[in-house]
Amino acid sequence: DVKVTQSSRYLVKRTGEKVFLECVQDMDHENMFWYRQDPGLGLRLIYFSYDVKMKEKGDIPEGYSVSREKKERFSLILESASTNQTSMYLCASRLPSGQGGRGYTFGSGTRLTVV
Amino acid sequence: AQSVTQPDIHITVSEGASLELRCNYSYGATPYLFWYVQSPGQGLQLLLKYFSGDTLVQGIKGFEAEFKRSQSSFNLRKPSVHWSDAAEYFCAVGAQAGTALIFGKGTTLSVSS
Repeated sequence: DVKVTQSSRYLVKRTGEKVFLECVQDMDHENMFWYRQDPGLGLRLIYFSYDVKMKEKGDIPEGYSVSREKKERFSLILESASTNQTSMYLCASRLPSGQGGRGYTFGSGTRLTVV
Repeated sequence: AQSVTQPDIHITVSEGASLELRCNYSYGATPYLFWYVQSPGQGLQLLLKYFSGDTLVQGIKGFEAEFKRSQSSFNLRKPSVHWSDAAEYFCAVGAQAGTALIFGKGTTLSVSS
């Protein structure tokens, strides 16, 4: 069965810390995505990557960066965590353009609390 | 601008009753349309998708959705709801060219006995 694995289900970090959220997929998908999910706001796109070493800003990239050194791994980095980054973070992957009709496969999410 | 609207934030349905969740989209090109379901504390699972052909699509767990281009809608339906269907449901739209999906804000479904 295909999988997108997020390394942590729950994470508590202190304000100002540098935080790494890891996502690994085993489906050889080119496209990978990071969303955050907040009550009443739905899913908002932070960053996405079409392929290795490629990245594009989403709707809310401020305060975040990403790394994609290998095809299977897409990391989200909070450069200096703040309390307003407390949220559920969802990673997803997908086959590339032309095959987008297959939709995303999501990980189980990481619930990050910044104190 | 491209957008997805789910007009209902929260819906309560009696077990065994029928269900319809609404989704309206604004998209310039021919859209790919999706419905996802999220159980508490979990990631999102694909229920069904539409990108061409028959406008009535069948998905998993007994769900179906109908694409109506004239109304820019893609409503999700189920003839008889089970208690295990209680979850949050998201409609999403995308394009063939590999851009990121745009999600609605979700509809929370509660099932009463």
